[in-house]
Amino acid sequence: ELKVEQNPLFLSMQEGKNYTIYCNYSTTSDRLYWYRQDPGKSLESLFVLLSNGAVKQEGRLMASLDTKARLSTLHITAAVHDLSATYFCGGGGADGLTFGKGTHLIIQP
Amino acid sequence: KAGVTQTPRYLIKTRGQQVTLSCSPISGHRSVSWYQQTPGQGLQFLFEYFSETQRNKGNFPGRFSGRQFSNSRSEMNVSTLELGDSALYLCASSLAAGVGYEQFFGPGTRLTVL
Repeated sequence: ELKVEQNPLFLSMQEGKNYTIYCNYSTTSDRLYWYRQDPGKSLESLFVLLSNGAVKQEGRLMASLDTKARLSTLHITAAVHDLSATYFCGGGGADGLTFGKGTHLIIQP
Repeated sequence: KAGVTQTPRYLIKTRGQQVTLSCSPISGHRSVSWYQQTPGQGLQFLFEYFSETQRNKGNFPGRFSGRQFSNSRSEMNVSTLELGDSALYLCASSLAAGVGYEQFFGPGTRLTVL
């Protein structure tokens, strides 16, 4: 059974700073996903990471995958308030997508 | 291209009642998955349907059931509602079955059980 652990679960940071969210998973996963969720909204797909060493970037967000370490990271560069949201990582297994608890990110001016 | 749609968006029921939620996938998508999101348990997989067949089921009691129609639309049903069933129910569609295909989520149905 795939287990996904994210940390930190809560992060408050200032605009302009950099930070990284970590996603560890317990067993082999077909691929690793990152989603964003705004309060009261659904999940928005950010990245799909397919293989070891994969790196994807979109604006101030960059995601990477290390399958040997069973670790994915979501790096935020020069954070801006609009990036405040909850970020989920999820991995594939027999039981559909298994998600981490989410990282609640608040970016303060 | 229209996204995943879910109806109703909000629902209030009382304990013991049953409820049916509906999901229309993105046109051309044949797989529909359902998830339950609560503050305590987070996002949990309920089941996945593909070609009108349940492909996978998460660890939920038999009160939770679903089905998929020939046009790929899906419904999920919860019978004998309990207070703990209050949650946001999310539907996701993908081109085909399995997590190898990117899943696109609908806006969700927020169910409150009183």
